[in-house]
Amino acid sequence: DVKVTQSSRYLVKRTGEKVFLECVQDMDHENMFWYRQDPGLGLRLIYFSYDVKMKEKGDIPEGYSVSREKKERFSLILESASTNQTSMYLCASSLAGVTTNEKLFFGSGTQLSVL
Amino acid sequence: DAKTTQPTSMDCAEGRAANLPCNHSTISGNEYVYWYRQIHSQGPQYIIHGLKNNETNEMASLIITEDRKSSTLILPHATLRDTAVYYCIVRVAAGGYQKVTFGTGTKLQVIP
Repeated sequence: DVKVTQSSRYLVKRTGEKVFLECVQDMDHENMFWYRQDPGLGLRLIYFSYDVKMKEKGDIPEGYSVSREKKERFSLILESASTNQTSMYLCASSLAGVTTNEKLFFGSGTQLSVL
Repeated sequence: DAKTTQPTSMDCAEGRAANLPCNHSTISGNEYVYWYRQIHSQGPQYIIHGLKNNETNEMASLIITEDRKSSTLILPHATLRDTAVYYCIVRVAAGGYQKVTFGTGTKLQVIP
């Protein structure tokens, strides 16, 4: 089975800190995604990547950046954390272009609290 | 990607069929309907997907209307473990470089 691993389950940071959220997948998937989830707002797409060093903005990219230096790893960066970035962050990956079933596999999530 | 509309919440008695509707009236001809569910404190999990024919797997059945503007996910015998948020999304099936967006989903509560 595909495994998508997020480095931390819970994280507490202070306002203004630079925060790195790491995600690693083990199935050679081309596509990777970062979402945040807040009560009543569902999952909102922050950034996605369809290849190494390639990235595209999602619906709410402000205040975030990403890095994909290797195919298996997709990092979400909060340059200067703010309290409104307190949220559950979910990473996902999928195959691309070779199948009619590009289902997403999700990690367990990182609950980030910014104080 | 086309947008989807789902009811905010639904209840279902344990052992009965749970029928979760989804509207996707602006779906394109090459877009599939995918369903995922998220059990509390876990990442979403894939359930099923389809283009225009009805589909069934070990988890659920997917019924898509002939005009493809709506679909229904059916859990034939709901159990307490099916209590979760269910997301319906539409997306092109293959081809990389695609934004995959979710909405707010339907919170299904299975009642003993």
